[in-house]
Amino acid sequence: GAVVSQHPSRVICKSGTSVKIECRSLDFQATTMFWYRQFPKKSLMLMATSNEGSKATYEQGVEKDKFLINHASLTLSTLTVTSAHPEDSSFYICSARDPQASSYEQYFGPGTRLTVT
Amino acid sequence: AQSVAQPEDQVNVAEGNPLTVKCTYSVSGNPYLFWYVQYPNRGLQFLLKYITGDNLVKGSYGFEAEFNKSQTSFHLKKPSALVSDSALYFCAGNFGNEKLTFGTGTRLTIIP
Repeated sequence: GAVVSQHPSRVICKSGTSVKIECRSLDFQATTMFWYRQFPKKSLMLMATSNEGSKATYEQGVEKDKFLINHASLTLSTLTVTSAHPEDSSFYICSARDPQASSYEQYFGPGTRLTVT
Repeated sequence: AQSVAQPEDQVNVAEGNPLTVKCTYSVSGNPYLFWYVQYPNRGLQFLLKYITGDNLVKGSYGFEAEFNKSQTSFHLKKPSALVSDSALYFCAGNFGNEKLTFGTGTRLTIIP
């Protein structure tokens, strides 16, 4: 099946700094990628839909200036958490949709654990 | 409103017994439905999906799910549980756009 990678898998940063998370589709071209946030023992919350070559579409309540998304190529989307604070600590998961697939199935990355101290 | 519900936060099953993880959806029409599994500190792994056709769908690791339109359900099942099946399971639906709507997740614990 299709493979999606994320880097880094784990990151610790100081409050006030910015951190970038990369999401790559390894064996297919993804025109659409998704960024989710997962709180402990909770479901996934969709943050934004990342479209190659255009601006991301953010869900209600997600600050676009806080969570910058760039989808510059068909295999790479990045999420930058700007001026991170401890409340931004979470598990961030990306997914990608293969436009060649017949359904709306999404392939998920392994996730990135962000800890802001 | 389009939604997916998993009514059980936690399901405990003895090893070797059949297991069921429940999922219901709320929408008119024919949604695409998915089951994913998540192990600790990992992303989601695809188990199976229902698009159209046979209501009984077979997936990875011996899991299957039955689409029941009259009951708007898509319960996940396995005839004989393994300890390694212990994980967090998510039901998700696609209701005509690119987004997936997730249920709240069910933690499955298989007791040796």
